[in-house]
Amino acid sequence: GNSVTQMEGPVTLSEEAFLTINCTYTATGYPSLFWYVQYPGEGLQLLLKATKADDKGSNKGFEATYRKETTSFHLEKGSVQVSDSAVYFCALTNDYKLSFGAGTTVTVRA
Amino acid sequence: ETGVTQSPTHLIKTRGQQVTLRCSSQSGHNTVSWYQQALGQGPQFIFQYYREEENGRGNFPPRFSGLQFPNYSSELNVNALELDDSALYLCASSLPPVRTGGRGEQYFGPGTRLTVT
Repeated sequence: GNSVTQMEGPVTLSEEAFLTINCTYTATGYPSLFWYVQYPGEGLQLLLKATKADDKGSNKGFEATYRKETTSFHLEKGSVQVSDSAVYFCALTNDYKLSFGAGTTVTVRA
Repeated sequence: ETGVTQSPTHLIKTRGQQVTLRCSSQSGHNTVSWYQQALGQGPQFIFQYYREEENGRGNFPPRFSGLQFPNYSSELNVNALELDDSALYLCASSLPPVRTGGRGEQYFGPGTRLTVT
């Protein structure tokens, strides 16, 4: 079956620091890959996506590249802000349902 | 464009009771999926509805059931509530699987926080 493993948190950073959250996956075929973000007390928001190998998804300064050879989809941002404090989920789908990682809590300090 | 909406926001029930949660899909989306998110964990897929029929189901017992209506809105029903059912229940809408090959993104509502005492 499908599975997603992402870096355990929590991660605490200072404003303007570089953020990386590792994500690796196991799936048959060619899944679509996603990063979702969940702010306190809210549902999940789609942050970015990639649907085929070597695609780069990007949004709000965040980027992730679909690496089929390493089955990875690591999330990066060059300069984080306090407003980026949230829980980040890596997810995939190739059969109508989303499979999620456990989430990584990121706290950015001013 | 209207996003995914869910009601109620919060709910407290007693063990053994039944509960119904409601979801309205984003405009233009006719597929609805439900997920359970326990505290500190990632969401777990419960089931998906397309054209008013269940299109797939995760590893949840039959006391979790659902409906989809002609206007694409959906309900999640849980019977004989257990303490472990306490969680955030998320509804997500998407384009139909036949158009995305089952690989399309899903858009989530704010969730319903269910507490079972």
